[in-house]
Amino acid sequence: DTGVSQNPRHKITKRGQNVTFRCDPISEHNRLYWYRQTLGQGPEFLTYFQNEAQLEKSRLLSDRFSAERPKGSFSTLEIQRTEQGDSAMYLCASGDSYEQYFGPGTRLTVT
Amino acid sequence: RKEVEQDPGPFNVPEGATVAFNCTYSNSASQSFFWYRQDCRKEPKLLMSVYSSGNEDGRFTAQLNRASQYISLLIRDSKLSDSATYLCVVMGSNDYKLSFGAGTTVTVRA
Repeated sequence: DTGVSQNPRHKITKRGQNVTFRCDPISEHNRLYWYRQTLGQGPEFLTYFQNEAQLEKSRLLSDRFSAERPKGSFSTLEIQRTEQGDSAMYLCASGDSYEQYFGPGTRLTVT
Repeated sequence: RKEVEQDPGPFNVPEGATVAFNCTYSNSASQSFFWYRQDCRKEPKLLMSVYSSGNEDGRFTAQLNRASQYISLLIRDSKLSDSATYLCVVMGSNDYKLSFGAGTTVTVRA
């Protein structure tokens, strides 16, 4: 499978714990994006990378959130001191032009 | 005001019917437009890009009206497998981030 992959697919954590998600983009794509989706809503942009440079961050990305893309390949999204409001599907997408292709997402539940 | 607004539906149609719906966007400088399809608890999948001249992909036809800032999608000869949420998506003029509508739910019944 040469599509976007994300791990883990599901994560249940207790409030206050830190979590980290991984995204492996389609190999030839230089742009990588993170979105968050809650029930009944469309995905909301969080941040994106062109190669290893993080070019934009949404206001949704509080200081508890950090994303990295070392070496311009895979990316990680870390959430520190999780809150119940962080429960959502975290989607990663990659692209090299205008079209973006999504991974299966990581569903986070904060209890 | 949300950047992209869609009628949430649901649109319940019989197999073989034609169904059409649209969305509006607020940023007149937007340059690229898409329809994505999302099945329950799955990731969005790109259905088609939308071009100014309108475009067709099999049973799906998309139209863009820049003057009125709306995008439409028409599905002809609906199949059961067309049941999904259709997300209207807009890309800004000087960045690559996507703005999504909340989605229009379509259910095709036998």
